[in-house]
Amino acid sequence: AQSVTQLDSQVPVFEEAPVELRCNYSSSVSVYLFWYVQYPNQGLQLLLKYLSGSTLVKGINGFEAEFNKSQTSFHLRKPSVHISDTAEYFCAVSDLANAGGTSYGKLTFGQGTILTVHP
Amino acid sequence: EAGVTQSPTHLIKTRGQQVTLRCSPISGHTSVYWYQQALGLGLQFLLWYDEGEERNRGNFPPRFSGRQFPNYSSELNVNALELEDSALYLCASSSSGHKDFFGQGTRLTVV
Repeated sequence: AQSVTQLDSQVPVFEEAPVELRCNYSSSVSVYLFWYVQYPNQGLQLLLKYLSGSTLVKGINGFEAEFNKSQTSFHLRKPSVHISDTAEYFCAVSDLANAGGTSYGKLTFGQGTILTVHP
Repeated sequence: EAGVTQSPTHLIKTRGQQVTLRCSPISGHTSVYWYQQALGLGLQFLLWYDEGEERNRGNFPPRFSGRQFPNYSSELNVNALELEDSALYLCASSSSGHKDFFGQGTRLTVV
């Protein structure tokens, strides 16, 4: 079984400042890792994912994340945030054993981090 | 390309009633997932269908059930609704390209 811990429930930051949203996971098997963003009253949008290869993953909207296997972390970063980045962010894992031929398999999500960007 | 579509967007049901939620995946996607996002409980995996078969099921009681049709659309059925079933129900579809796309969700309120 996997678990995901997002270390901060809320992160306030000023516009144009850098931000890091922290995510740690626990799993006895290899995993795929994801970050999703959810704007108010919307579904989830995939920001980026780590499947294999380079541990630094670049996603949409200027976000990036680094997979650290030894620390079992997958922190999300953005060097300069905008007001429009205000949303809830979810870290998720999917274990390779559950992945089917056509998908990642079920996702286990963290509790979410609410990012609020102030002018 | 049309995204994942869910219907209805909102509905209100009375405790004890039954409800059916619908999801149409992106064209060509054969896998459909259902998740429940309840206040205070986060996003919980409900069901995974692929090629018409149930592949995996989350830790939910049997009154949560579903099916996938030959056109890969899916239904989620919830019987004997309870107040705590009030939540946003999200559907996602994926393809062999390993891209998961989520719909906008159905917000269910049980009163």
